[in-house]
Amino acid sequence: NAGVTQTPKFRILKIGQSMTLQCTQDMNHNYMYWYRQDPGMGLKLIYYSVGAGITDKGEVPNGYNVSRSTTEDFPLRLELAAPSQTSVYFCASSSLAVYFTDTQYFGPGTRLTVL
Amino acid sequence: GESVGLHLPTLSVQEGDNSIINCAYSNSASDYFIWYKQESGKGPQFIIDIRSNMDKRQGQRVTVLLNKTVKHLSLQIAATQPGDSAVYFCAEGPIDHGSSNTGKLIFGQGTTLQVKP
Repeated sequence: NAGVTQTPKFRILKIGQSMTLQCTQDMNHNYMYWYRQDPGMGLKLIYYSVGAGITDKGEVPNGYNVSRSTTEDFPLRLELAAPSQTSVYFCASSSLAVYFTDTQYFGPGTRLTVL
Repeated sequence: GESVGLHLPTLSVQEGDNSIINCAYSNSASDYFIWYKQESGKGPQFIIDIRSNMDKRQGQRVTVLLNKTVKHLSLQIAATQPGDSAVYFCAEGPIDHGSSNTGKLIFGQGTTLQVKP
């Protein structure tokens, strides 16, 4: 049971390039989240998904896209990378039932630099 | 707007002492609060949680206190060890009722705990 895995660990992009950050969880969690963490700051929610085929915007969705074709995978797509997207990206998942909120489990993060 | 914040950006304690990390929140509708620990280069790791119908919860060497009157949350670490050095985040979330439950959390900025040997 690996939990939440993310690839790559590090990446340097040039302005205008695109890339996909991969996230996979093996806990059969329905709920998945993408956050970004800027230096010295807390986590800001980019996108989230409550199940396969269902995604929604978080607090800072501009410049990103997501898809959720399976329960396990929740990739984050950056189109036309900008320096403002330099950050550490975390994927998380949780198991939720109605009338309940549960802990989110985080991956190790992807450190992205846009030059 | 809603915000979750910590009172101090850095807390330095001596090994073996007790640590207290504080957090203020503004959303009185929040039902669920979590403390996370984030070590350098790693993702946040769950420490302990508490629901709004409780005012205290204890784990192994950690205690979380919730004061809803003043919207204050604290994390107490007993006998702080070098391995406790990390950034600690509080997070809050409403327990949505019905099919709109999303599990979204709001995170504070974090307090860096430094343990001196």
